[in-house]
Amino acid sequence: RKEVEQDPGPFNVPEGATVAFNCTYSNSASQSFFWYRQDCRKEPKLLMSVYSSGNEDGRFTAQLNRASQYISLLIRDSKLSDSATYLCVVRHYGQNFVFGPGTRLSVLP
Amino acid sequence: DTGVSQDPRHKITKRGQNVTFRCDPISEHNRLYWYRQTLGQGPEFLTYFQNEAQLEKSRLLSDRFSAERPKGSFSTLEIQRTEQGDSAMYLCASSSSAENTEAFFGQGTRLTVV
Repeated sequence: RKEVEQDPGPFNVPEGATVAFNCTYSNSASQSFFWYRQDCRKEPKLLMSVYSSGNEDGRFTAQLNRASQYISLLIRDSKLSDSATYLCVVRHYGQNFVFGPGTRLSVLP
Repeated sequence: DTGVSQDPRHKITKRGQNVTFRCDPISEHNRLYWYRQTLGQGPEFLTYFQNEAQLEKSRLLSDRFSAERPKGSFSTLEIQRTEQGDSAMYLCASSSSAENTEAFFGQGTRLTVV
């Protein structure tokens, strides 16, 4: 079993739709949590960090459930420019960043 | 540009040749990471440094792979006797040592072994 697992994609949604991505992690010692976005043939870039109380950045909302070892990302009012692969990332204290396989999103006109 | 930079951006090599990639992290970052990514997969961890010390090395990293960060600044990743299965994007990232801080990635080196 992979340490970080994500919804298999791709997700194809119309513009304006709300879409949710799920992620689970196996190491309960994980300390930090992130969502990264990766465009085709580009490097991953931070979308948002995920905090225990949940956090929102515009149309994006991230939630963390430590007891269930589950992370989510909600995108509201999706735009064409949101089309990308979304990577769930966890980090153990003082160690490396562990990436999930990613979920690809295509927002259709 | 003060981001993470990688060189070269693309490398085509014949099977059996050695290749070396370079990464220059963000200057104030003391942690540096190497990842490998193949199509449709997330980045796979290879190794990481804190300053010049190599603190962790993935079991995925065969003896043909070696990484250095001699002065705690730039890093090199060498692959000896390349195989076709080594074809991938090699990504470098850096971060500060503060916990809960993110990693910043370079644009990667795309390796094709023919």
